[in-house]
Amino acid sequence: ETGVTQSPTHLIKTRGQQVTLRCSSQSGHNTVSWYQQALGQGPQFIFQYYREEENGRGNFPPRFSGLQFPNYSSELNVNALELDDSALYLCASSQTGGDSPLHFGNGTRLTVT
Amino acid sequence: QKEVEQDPGPLSVPEGAIVSLNCTYSNSAFQYFMWYRQYSRKGPELLMYTYSSGNKEDGRFTAQVDKSSKYISLFIRDSQPSDSATYLCAMDGTSYGKLTFGQGTILTVHP
Repeated sequence: ETGVTQSPTHLIKTRGQQVTLRCSSQSGHNTVSWYQQALGQGPQFIFQYYREEENGRGNFPPRFSGLQFPNYSSELNVNALELDDSALYLCASSQTGGDSPLHFGNGTRLTVT
Repeated sequence: QKEVEQDPGPLSVPEGAIVSLNCTYSNSAFQYFMWYRQYSRKGPELLMYTYSSGNKEDGRFTAQVDKSSKYISLFIRDSQPSDSATYLCAMDGTSYGKLTFGQGTILTVHP
């Protein structure tokens, strides 16, 4: 069984730039969620995708957007990067339905300078 | 006030000790309760997943949920140096996968 994989592992960007992060969900999972984890904090929910549509969003501005593809893989896009966007971005997948907890990838470490 | 409160520690214990990690929450809508372990430079790894109040045991780990007090705990018996990590509690209401996390507790088990 293949787990959740994310790319790239590390990324350095300049304030104002745009970034795209990628995620392949665990085999058999049809729902993808994205989280932001600042240093020393717990992850914060950004949004979730199910059947290629956004299925809930946390308290993040519209410059955070996403996509889910027919093979259930997903992208997270962030426009107009700010210094506070520096964080570990985590992708998690699950199977919609009861009793299906999230399984996380190892994340992408984004540094904005 | 945060929806989920977790003592960030750090917590340092000798090998073989019993460890108790705790979280309190304020949102009565939370129905699912999880504990994740996160090693440095890694993603969170699911340890325990519970729905109802009561205890759930898995090897050296026991998760306890008290919905009436809005309090959850994770107990680690016979702690090992390999248990050294950050432990995150997480909760979910009626929408699967939209978790609210605690801040995480840093645990170090020294030989």
